[in-house]
Amino acid sequence: GEDVEQSLFLSVREGDSSVINCTYTDSSSTYLYWYKQEPGAGLQLLTYIFSNMDMKQDQRLTVLLNKKDKHLSLRIADTQTGDSAIYFCAGNFGNEKLTFGTGTRLTIIP
Amino acid sequence: NAGVTQTPKFQVLKTGQSMTLQCAQDMNHEYMSWYRQDPGMGLRLIHYSVGAGITDQGEVPNGYNVSRSTTEDFPLRLLSAAPSQTSVYFCASRRHTGTLGTEAFFGQGTRLTVV
Repeated sequence: GEDVEQSLFLSVREGDSSVINCTYTDSSSTYLYWYKQEPGAGLQLLTYIFSNMDMKQDQRLTVLLNKKDKHLSLRIADTQTGDSAIYFCAGNFGNEKLTFGTGTRLTIIP
Repeated sequence: NAGVTQTPKFQVLKTGQSMTLQCAQDMNHEYMSWYRQDPGMGLRLIHYSVGAGITDQGEVPNGYNVSRSTTEDFPLRLLSAAPSQTSVYFCASRRHTGTLGTEAFFGQGTRLTVV
């Protein structure tokens, strides 16, 4: 089956860049997603990348996809306190179901 | 513009009790699913449905039932609650596109505690 892995925690100083990493075992995903979950809330789609792309930029967010290494990353430039949340990567690996990583809790240090 | 609505937001059950978690969406999405979220384990798929009258099991279906009599509603039933079912439950919906991906919209979650 599909396996999606993330580090559980990341701490970053306010104003620095945050890089959240994700690795997966199944290369058949059509899309790969990043979701953000703020405390007490559901998941909100941040951005996604189509599997035939290497990079996607959207304002402060940059998604990098290395298909050879099956590695996905999310870079948040100029990290702010409002970026504190849990970030999930997910993919639909050859089927309709979304498989999620464990989530990375991003903490911002003032 | 309600999106995905889950009720209740919080629930405490005694071991052995049954209950139904409600989920409704107003986007005419074919695909609906239920996940549970546990610390350090991400979201795990419980059951899903690709359209009215069709349901299927996900990764962790035991102890849960679902039905999909309408496109809008996808209730999750706990048959006999156990402490291991203490979790946060999320309902999600998306357009059904086969293997192509589309954005999944999530409800706000139901925090369930079984004592």
